Amino acid sequence: SYELTQPPSVSVSPGQTARITCSGDALPKQDAYWYQQKPGQAPFLVISQNTERPSGIPERFSGSGSGTTVTLTISGVQAEDEADYYCQSADSSGAWVFGGGTKLTVL
Amino acid sequence: QVQLVQSGAEVKKPGASVMVSCKASGYSFTTYGITWVRQAPGQGLEWMGWIDTYNGNRDYAQKFQGRVTMTTDTATRTAYMDLRSLRSDDTAVYFCARGGAKFEYWGQGTLVTVSS
Repeated sequence: SYELTQPPSVSVSPGQTARITCSGDALPKQDAYWYQQKPGQAPFLVISQNTERPSGIPERFSGSGSGTTVTLTISGVQAEDEADYYCQSADSSGAWVFGGGTKLTVL
Repeated sequence: QVQLVQSGAEVKKPGASVMVSCKASGYSFTTYGITWVRQAPGQGLEWMGWIDTYNGNRDYAQKFQGRVTMTTDTATRTAYMDLRSLRSDDTAVYFCARGGAKFEYWGQGTLVTVSS
């Protein structure tokens, strides 16, 4: 079955830049989405269709892609950004798949 | 404002079935599909499937084919997810989300515990 691979954890100090990657063979052809999830809460969409920032999402969140890897970048990380982050995309049949998630720790 | 309100926590025995509801408000119900996603304790998100609220078309993840049924009641603006033949590894929080691809709005989640 199709998999999206994320690093289990990323750690950065406040004010630094965090980059979370997501790799998958179909990513060059399928849109990717990114979600933030804090403990006990539902996921929250932060990046849509690879690079679009939904209304209300701070400018420090951005998305990019190159080949089979997409990246969520958080510039000027703040303590409130500490959360789990998940990428989402589709396999060749159109079924949605989530990455395993990355725990962002703000040191 | 857009809201998705799910039914309360459930405790079920192995082999039983569970039905989780998701009541929508604040938008035209049949304009967006409803997707179901689950999350086992301490684990990641898992897409279960999607139902088109306009025409009832469904698309289930292969893993759940034959065990899950998604339905909607447009009169009450409610979506339902029925999961049968429950096993202990079905213990999870089940979420509904608006849409078939971009999930901007989510329900609060429903904890389903499967235990003998």
